[in-house]
Amino acid sequence: DGGITQSPKYLFRKEGQNVTLSCEQNLNHDAMYWYRQDPGQGLRLIYYSQIVNDFQKGDIAEGYSVSREKKESFPLTVTSAQKNPTAFYLCASRAPGDTQYFGPGTRLTVL
Amino acid sequence: QQQVKQSPQSLIVQKGGISIINCAYENTAFDYFPWYQQFPGKGPALLIAIRPDVSEKKEGRFTISFNKSAKQFSLHIMDSQPGDSATYFCAAPMIYNQGGKLIFGQGTELSVKP
Repeated sequence: DGGITQSPKYLFRKEGQNVTLSCEQNLNHDAMYWYRQDPGQGLRLIYYSQIVNDFQKGDIAEGYSVSREKKESFPLTVTSAQKNPTAFYLCASRAPGDTQYFGPGTRLTVL
Repeated sequence: QQQVKQSPQSLIVQKGGISIINCAYENTAFDYFPWYQQFPGKGPALLIAIRPDVSEKKEGRFTISFNKSAKQFSLHIMDSQPGDSATYFCAAPMIYNQGGKLIFGQGTELSVKP
């Protein structure tokens, strides 16, 4: 089955902790994206990557970091510098000439 | 900053009725304009997408209409069903198509009453 997987589905973080959200795709897509979704709001772009070993900041990158060491993987780290990290996090990928496809999401809650 | 304005924020339709959601965009790249359907707790699923050189695209009960001169596009759901109750997002490609980035509308929460 081709698709995008995100893990874990639910994640709880204590104050001051860094946590890493996983995103994997087997669609052979070059481009991958991370979004944050808050209740009643649209999707806001955190980071995106067009190719392995390269990534760019989106609109709300502060307090987040990413890596792109493999084509199929684009993990997102929510650092302690992110003051309000409770949200639904979505990963997406895209093939050239196509649009974006989303994973199932990870809900992060700060305790 | 580029924006996409989506309306209405919420919509209640009777079963069998037509649901209409509108989006207006600013300058954009020549690329796909997608619509996504999202159920609570799930990731958005691509519903239908259109390129701006086409004025209309239909897939089953779902139709996108595109008005390039007015910079508007809309989603029509014919014969709306309770199972269509979800949040719908439109999106437009960013100008200069920066890495395939999309600008999303704020979403429309659709409720179809039986």
